Amino acid sequence: KQEVTQIPAALSVPEGENLVLNCSFTDSAIYNLQWFRQDPGKGLTSLLLIQSSQREQTSGRLNASLDKSSGRSTLYIAASQPGDSATYLCAVITISGGYNKLIFGAGTRLAVHP
Amino acid sequence: DTGVSQNPRHKITKRGQNVTFRCDPISEHNRLYWYRQTLGQGPEFLTYFQNEAQLEKSRLLSDRFSAERPKGSFSTLEIQRTEQGDSAMYLCASSLGSAGGQETQYFGPGTRLLVL
Repeated sequence: KQEVTQIPAALSVPEGENLVLNCSFTDSAIYNLQWFRQDPGKGLTSLLLIQSSQREQTSGRLNASLDKSSGRSTLYIAASQPGDSATYLCAVITISGGYNKLIFGAGTRLAVHP
Repeated sequence: DTGVSQNPRHKITKRGQNVTFRCDPISEHNRLYWYRQTLGQGPEFLTYFQNEAQLEKSRLLSDRFSAERPKGSFSTLEIQRTEQGDSAMYLCASSLGSAGGQETQYFGPGTRLLVL
């Protein structure tokens, strides 16, 4: 059974710091991996999707890497800002019954203070 | 394209009552998903529709839960005889998918349920 773990569970940093959020998964037979952002009481916003054949994806100040063999992904946030405060979720994606099945970690709650 | 919408956004009910949530997917999306998210956890898959057909249900979906997607458009999730353990955020997502191919699920804002 696939299990997804995110470390740390919570993080509080001053503005401007570079951050690394970690995601690990137990079964390396994944299709893709996706990082989401969730603001309090809101739905999920997709940040980056890494296909299994890729090693990383970049969008602005965000960079996500994927190492399937070791079952790990990291989300790097450069020059953090207070607006980055949110919960960051990673989800491994497998193909199950013809559809994309997402299995989520519990998330990392990030607080960036001025 | 107005995104995935969910109603109501918040629902407070007493234990034992029935509740129904609605999800309107992005138009022309053929796939629709329901997830449940409890406090401090990631979303967990509940059920999946391809057009109007419900093709998979999680073991989390007890017999008190029922979901429908008539005509392959909007979907409803009903919980009968609610229990305090049903308190959670219920998220809906939709996608345009093909068999075995890559798809992107777009999530709605969720319905937060509190059972007193």
